[in-house]
Amino acid sequence: DAGVTQSPTHLIKTRGQQVTLRCSPKSGHDTVSWYQQALGQGPQFIFQYYEEEERQRGNFPDRFSGHQFPNYSSELNVNALLLGDSALYLCASSWGAGLVEQFFGPGTRLTVL
Amino acid sequence: QQQVKQSPQSLIVQKGGISIINCAYENTAFDYFPWYQQFPGKGPALLIAIRPDVSEKKEGRFTISFNKSAKQFSLHIMDSQPGDSATYFCAASINTGGFKTIFGAGTRLFVKA
Repeated sequence: DAGVTQSPTHLIKTRGQQVTLRCSPKSGHDTVSWYQQALGQGPQFIFQYYEEEERQRGNFPDRFSGHQFPNYSSELNVNALLLGDSALYLCASSWGAGLVEQFFGPGTRLTVL
Repeated sequence: QQQVKQSPQSLIVQKGGISIINCAYENTAFDYFPWYQQFPGKGPALLIAIRPDVSEKKEGRFTISFNKSAKQFSLHIMDSQPGDSATYFCAASINTGGFKTIFGAGTRLFVKA
């Protein structure tokens, strides 16, 4: 049973560029949440997708957007990259939109130069 | 009001000792309190979680103590082992049509052999 998978593993971009990160949830899960984890910090909630809709959003600007596909996989898009967007981006999956256990992927390390 | 405050920032414990990490929250609408363990280069993994109607939960060497009136909760790791050396995050989740999880800043635990 595959767990949560994310791609790519690492990514280097320059300021102003756009990036797309991908996540496949654990088998049987239908909810995907995205987090940003800066070095030495706790994960910061970006948003959650359930039934292909954004259900909850954290304090992130509109440059951060997402999408969920019918097979429950998800993408995180970040436009107009800033140096401060450099972080580990984590995807977590769960079943249903309630308060249940989340399973995290290994993350995508984004470096903005 | 959405913050979760975690202490200490770092902790050194002798093998066999008890590791104690504390967290506090403000928002009484939080309804689920998980603890995560993260090793370098990996995503967080759920250790143990508690809901506010329970004052204590134990799973193996890990125990959560929850004080609803004080809005505080803590993780106790009994018989700490070198393999427990990792970063630990407390978190609190709120469900408003989709759930949002707020993480503490993390505690770096080092268990000396």
